[in-house]
Amino acid sequence: QLQLHESGPGLVKPSDTLFLSCTVSGGSISTSDYYWGWIRQPRGKGPEWIGNFDYSGRTFYNPSLKSRVTISVDTSQSNFSLRVTSVTAADTAVYYCVRHAVPPDYGDYDGGFDHWGQGTLVTVSS
Amino acid sequence: EIVMTQSPATLSVSPGERVTLSCRASQSVNSNLAWYQQKPGQAPRLLIHGASTRATGIPARFSGSGSGTEFTLTISSLQSEDFAVYYCEQYHNWPPYTFGQGTKLEIK
Repeated sequence: QLQLHESGPGLVKPSDTLFLSCTVSGGSISTSDYYWGWIRQPRGKGPEWIGNFDYSGRTFYNPSLKSRVTISVDTSQSNFSLRVTSVTAADTAVYYCVRHAVPPDYGDYDGGFDHWGQGTLVTVSS
Repeated sequence: EIVMTQSPATLSVSPGERVTLSCRASQSVNSNLAWYQQKPGQAPRLLIHGASTRATGIPARFSGSGSGTEFTLTISSLQSEDFAVYYCEQYHNWPPYTFGQGTKLEIK
């Protein structure tokens, strides 16, 4: 079955760049049916969507993070990555890679993030 | 950005009880709303999408209703494994997708 797995350093220094990878198994990230992306969740708070990409490589970002975030994809390796620059303590969170259905051309649909990785805790501290 | 507001923040209930959680959107999201369950140390799990459609493998005791700006998640008879935090999320108007702050179900 489809599995997503995050990897990367658990500790990042303030002002440095955070880099995480997500490896997908049991499915293709090249499908036009789904977006793939990242969500983070600070301890004790609700999830925060970071960004997505589609099968063509087009990316979408949360406006609140857009200036600091880049999502890249390596289709041949079935993985994608997240880069967040100039991190501060506010970037400390569990980071998840996720999948979301692509909406139809019009109308409502059964969306939502239907697959999540297990999450990886990233702490920003000197 | 659409703001999602959940109430109450915490709900104390007994196993076997029926419980209803609320979620309000700051503007209409039609039926483009999902509910998630999160247990400690785990990723959120999709329960309901399209406001009322159960996701794959979700028990029938979970049901969702509503459209526009007002939504509810009902658990018909609470089981011990249902004590968790529940989040709503809108995917109608994005970016960004936005989540509520959560409702924690705790054992009375």
